[in-house]
Amino acid sequence: GQNIDQPTEMTATEGAIVQINCTYQTSGFNGLFWYQQHAGEAPTFLSYNVLDGLEEKGRFSSFLSRSKGYSYLLLKELQMKDSASYLCAVSEEGANNLFFGTGTRLTVIP
Amino acid sequence: DVKVTQSSRYLVKRTGEKVFLECVQDMDHENMFWYRQDPGLGLRLIYFSYDVKMKEKGDIPEGYSVSREKKERFSLILESASTNQTSMYLCASSRQGSYNSPLHFGNGTRLTVT
Repeated sequence: GQNIDQPTEMTATEGAIVQINCTYQTSGFNGLFWYQQHAGEAPTFLSYNVLDGLEEKGRFSSFLSRSKGYSYLLLKELQMKDSASYLCAVSEEGANNLFFGTGTRLTVIP
Repeated sequence: DVKVTQSSRYLVKRTGEKVFLECVQDMDHENMFWYRQDPGLGLRLIYFSYDVKMKEKGDIPEGYSVSREKKERFSLILESASTNQTSMYLCASSRQGSYNSPLHFGNGTRLTVT
């Protein structure tokens, strides 16, 4: 089974850095995804981690610790357009689908 | 770019009606999925399919059925719509056989059952 936990809401200031955490418990971990979803739109893929460590992609980075069942998404130089929900999703061995957390709604304020 | 198209953006149906939600993808993906998204509950998997005519139940299949007659098309059917099926429905597709293949989502269908 899986138990994926992330904060419900966060607020941060334009230009700042924000870290969105995700913890999970799952059998047969096979990778962790982060998605961004703007209000009324489809989720879009941001990052994938399967090995421990930090993956950097422009202003966004994602970190994974498999031993701790923990990941975070780091957003730097926040822009107003980063206001969105951020979804953490876990892949399990042998499963074709992903298991999603409830998402973190990030509000960027001026 | 992968395109996943859902036939309707908004739908309003009456209790007891039969409802069809259609989804088409243009990247020859083997896997297709139907999720519903509700506030505080996140994305929950209803059904998925990994090949034509194949289907697997997800976490909340009750009250729903699916059809995959062609590789590019995956339909979600509400046999007799009920008010608790009012939700945002998201279709997604992905490549099979690659564990890091991300899901590609359609823009969603917001269904209201009155």
